[in-house]
Amino acid sequence: ELKVEQNPLFLSMQEGKNYTIYCNYSTTSDRLYWYRQDPGKSLESLFVLLSNGAVKQEGRLMASLDTKARLSTLHITAAVHDLSATYFCAVDMKTSGSRLTFGEGTQLTVNP
Amino acid sequence: EAGVTQFPSHSVIEKGQTVTLRCDPISGHDNLYWYRRVMGKEIKFLLHFVKESKQDESGMPNNRFLAERTGGTYSTLKVQPAELEDSGVYFCASSQGKRHGDSRNIQYFGAGTRLSVL
Repeated sequence: ELKVEQNPLFLSMQEGKNYTIYCNYSTTSDRLYWYRQDPGKSLESLFVLLSNGAVKQEGRLMASLDTKARLSTLHITAAVHDLSATYFCAVDMKTSGSRLTFGEGTQLTVNP
Repeated sequence: EAGVTQFPSHSVIEKGQTVTLRCDPISGHDNLYWYRRVMGKEIKFLLHFVKESKQDESGMPNNRFLAERTGGTYSTLKVQPAELEDSGVYFCASSQGKRHGDSRNIQYFGAGTRLSVL
């Protein structure tokens, strides 16, 4: 059974600081996704990572994928308050159709 | 373009009652998914429709849950009778892609329905 673990689950950081959220998964997957959710809102797709070594960047967020280590990271650079949200990673596998298996989510709070 | 919409946003019912959740996917999306997040845990897959057909319902917890997708458009998820452990946030998602590996397989999520069973 595919399992996805994120850490940390809760992260409180100061504006201007850097930090990394980690996402480990237990078996080979085809694609890895990062989503962001603001309270009461829908999950917003941030990144889709398809292959080993993939790196994608959008603003202050950068995601990378190491399929050999079964690890993805979401790096936050010079955090700002607007980044406060819950971040989820999710994976899918060809053998399980297109359903997503999610991590528990990382609740990020950026303090002024 | 309208996103995935879910109704209601919040429902409070008593144990033993029936509740029906509705999801309107993005127009033209053949794939529709239901997921559930219980007690701040991970979001878990419930089932997947392709048009009006159930492609995968392996995540449905038990036969108190019934999902339908009329004419391949909107979907409903009915819980009857509701139990305390059914409380959580129910998410719906839709995607356009037709095959695994299709770049259009990104799933777009609604804001969820928060169900509280008392």
